[in-house]
This record gives sequence, structure tokens and C-alpha cells, in this order.
Amino acid sequence: KAGVTQTPRYLIKTRGQQVTLSCSPISGHRSVSWYQQTPGQGLQFLFEYFSETQRNKGNFPGRFSGRQFSNSRSEMNVSTLELGDSALYLCASSWRGQEADGYTFGSGTRLTVV
Amino acid sequence: QKEVEQDPGPLSVPEGAIVSLNCTYSNSAFQYFMWYRQYSRKGPELLMYTYSSGNKEDGRFTAQVDKSSKYISLFIRDSQPSDSATYLCAINDYKLSFGAGTTVTVRA
Repeated sequence: KAGVTQTPRYLIKTRGQQVTLSCSPISGHRSVSWYQQTPGQGLQFLFEYFSETQRNKGNFPGRFSGRQFSNSRSEMNVSTLELGDSALYLCASSWRGQEADGYTFGSGTRLTVV
Repeated sequence: QKEVEQDPGPLSVPEGAIVSLNCTYSNSAFQYFMWYRQYSRKGPELLMYTYSSGNKEDGRFTAQVDKSSKYISLFIRDSQPSDSATYLCAINDYKLSFGAGTTVTVRA
């Protein structure tokens, strides 16, 4: 059974640019969540999608957005990149995104903003 | 106040020792508690998942939840160098709220 796949693994972007990250969940999982991991703030929840709808959102500015497609694959977009956006971005999938569900994480996309 | 507090360590123990990791949480309504392990340059991997209070054992790993004191623990028995990683506690409240993570090194 294939795990959660995130592409690309590494990205270097310049301040002011925008970036799109991709996540393919485990087959059959309909919920996809995104997290940002930094040394200072740790792992923080960005948003969660279920059946192509954003169901939950963390405390991040509107520059961070996402979407989910009918096959449950998800993309995350960050516009007008800032140096502080440098982080490991992790995608997690679960069957329904309910409290009782476990979440499986991908290996992440390491974004560096210069 | 953060929802989950965890001492970031680091923690260094000799091989074969018992590793004890702890977290506290703020909201007594939380019911679902997780422990994740994260190796360098990898995503977190689910280790243990506990509902409400009590103990759960899986091989060398034991997770405990004490809802009366809002305290969650993970114990690793007979620790191995391969257990060297960052351990993260998390609350599942329709999203995961993580502790800061404790970096553990098991010395051979």
C-alpha cells in the first residue's frame, strides 16, 4: 500500500514569488491536512480538506491556500513568499479526518525562501 | 497557553535504559491522544494512539493517559540506538495539535 506522497521534496524560491506543493494521499483516504514545521514554532496546522471542501483552518494568513481534487489529491499554494515561510511542509491523510482516525504523514517538502 | 506542552529535552540515555517522555494538555475535553516519532528528514510516524484514560502497550512502547491531571506519557523499554529520534505528543481534535517534540538519543 503506497504511503502519502509529497512533491517536490525540496524547493528554493525567492521572496515575493509563489509556490505550489502537491500531496497524494493513501488510496481510500478522503481527508488531507497540511502542517508547517519550523524549529521555532514546531508543527502547526494549516488547513484540512475533505471531499474537495476546506473543513478546518489554522491561524495562518490568507497567503496560504489550498485545494483538493476529486481524486483526493491536494495542493497547497503560498503567494508572495516571505523569508519566514521557510519550513518543512507536511501533508497528512486520514480516512475521514475524524477524532478517532489516525493520520499518516508524507516525508514533506522542504521550502527555502531566499 | 499552548494546547499541548512538551519538554523539548534533549534526552540522552544508554542503550537498554527506559525512556520516559511526558506532555501536559490544557483542555479536559480532549479524548484522543497520539505519539509520533520523527526521524531526521522524514515525516512524523504514528507510534501509539490512545482514547481517553488508561494504558496502551505495543511491544516495547507503553502510552499512558491521566485525564485527571491532563498528563500523557510514553515509555520505551529496552531502548535501542534505532529509537534515537524526536518524539511528538499530539491531541486529535479534528486536527492535530502537537507538543514541541523531545529529541532522544540512545547511546550504544
